[in-house]
Amino acid sequence: GQNIDQPTEMTATEGAIVQINCTYQTSGFNGLFWYQQHAGEAPTFLSYNVLDGLEEKGRFSSFLSRSKGYSYLLLKELQMKDSASYLCVRNSGNTPLVFGKGTRLSVIA
Amino acid sequence: SQTIHQWPATLVQPVGSPLSLECTVEGTSNPNLYWYRQAAGRGLQLLFYSVGIGQISSEVPQNLSASRPQDRQFILSSKKLLLSDSGFYLCAWSVSNTEAFFGQGTRLTVV
Repeated sequence: GQNIDQPTEMTATEGAIVQINCTYQTSGFNGLFWYQQHAGEAPTFLSYNVLDGLEEKGRFSSFLSRSKGYSYLLLKELQMKDSASYLCVRNSGNTPLVFGKGTRLSVIA
Repeated sequence: SQTIHQWPATLVQPVGSPLSLECTVEGTSNPNLYWYRQAAGRGLQLLFYSVGIGQISSEVPQNLSASRPQDRQFILSSKKLLLSDSGFYLCAWSVSNTEAFFGQGTRLTVV
């Protein structure tokens, strides 16, 4: 939804670093959310980027480039519990958030 | 702090039976409220959203309806369930189009 493009699936090794990319339609853009959703559970909020640059929260960081319509979520020191879907969601202002399928990340030993 | 309660967590209902899922929010006033549905292996589908009491916007015409009788209460209903209504139903809230916070979800199986 909302012209968001992110990979369907990724696989990474425990302890490694993984970057999940997201490109979006730039018109009417107010900000970009990242959510994590474990199988069978509700999504949980990870980060919200409004301005360009990198925001770090522990092992997770999120980057935004508004001019390029590009964001990424960086996960460091991967753990098995990080296996989940990661949803890139665009805030378009006075409309409800529309979620895509996200990127399913599998962390392997 | 704000909390959101959604119940029940799981529900098994026969085809043709009615449905009522309830969601309440605490610790905030005049939230935007949402109902999403997620089929297995799919993304979240927005069903309804509400910006105030009695104000409901429907995103997808189907066998469901929503009501907001109180500021912090959002109800999802159906008069007669179909097999295709099975799924994971999520209630969420937000304020001024900031991040949305989700309830625990209701896994509905129509048999």
